[in-house]
Amino acid sequence: DAGVIQSPRHEVTEMGQEVTLRCKPISGHDYLFWYRQTMMRGLELLIYFNNNVPIDDSGMPEDRFSAKMPNASFSTLKIQPSEPRDSAVYFCASSLGVGGNYGYTFGSGTRLTVV
Amino acid sequence: AQSVTQLDSHVSVSEGTPVLLRCNYSSSYSPSLFWYVQHPNKGLQLLLKYTSAATLVKGINGFEAEFKKSETSFHLTKPSAHMSDAAEYFCVVSDRNTDKLIFGTGTRLQVFP
Repeated sequence: DAGVIQSPRHEVTEMGQEVTLRCKPISGHDYLFWYRQTMMRGLELLIYFNNNVPIDDSGMPEDRFSAKMPNASFSTLKIQPSEPRDSAVYFCASSLGVGGNYGYTFGSGTRLTVV
Repeated sequence: AQSVTQLDSHVSVSEGTPVLLRCNYSSSYSPSLFWYVQHPNKGLQLLLKYTSAATLVKGINGFEAEFKKSETSFHLTKPSAHMSDAAEYFCVVSDRNTDKLIFGTGTRLQVFP
């Protein structure tokens, strides 16, 4: 298995532009997670899906952020409009389940820079 | 609420010497604990997990961690550091109420030749 695949690896965009981050989870994993990593705040869970359905989006910082999972093999995280404070590394992870019995498999991340 | 505290933000060791990365947890019940490693420009990789079975947990790449309830600790160790161990290490607890993973602030391990 190729693991969790994220694209692009790096994204540089101007403030106000729309940004779309993409993720392909491991086949058979029913759970998909989007995390954001910054120096100031560490790793934050933004949203997670179970069987393509959003379960908890309480970590989504504001309405400019949206996430979708149209099928079991693809998810997107969209920021519109983007702002410099959105600059961070965004990770996608997938898992067979949630909670203490499951480890998550992370992708390599998308490094977003908003100028 | 559950939480983890990583006691050192940076640890430096010489190649071939032991590694100790410290983590204390706070939980009102028996927690599920993990260690993840993040190499530069990479995603996080699961090293090992504790889920109330054996208190000494062996992970990948020669790492292990011991769950000590009396000390509320889950320290990560390795007998002999290798240059390839240089990375950021995260102690993680699973919140039983929300099933979310709660990450520590990370410990950056440097290994000198």
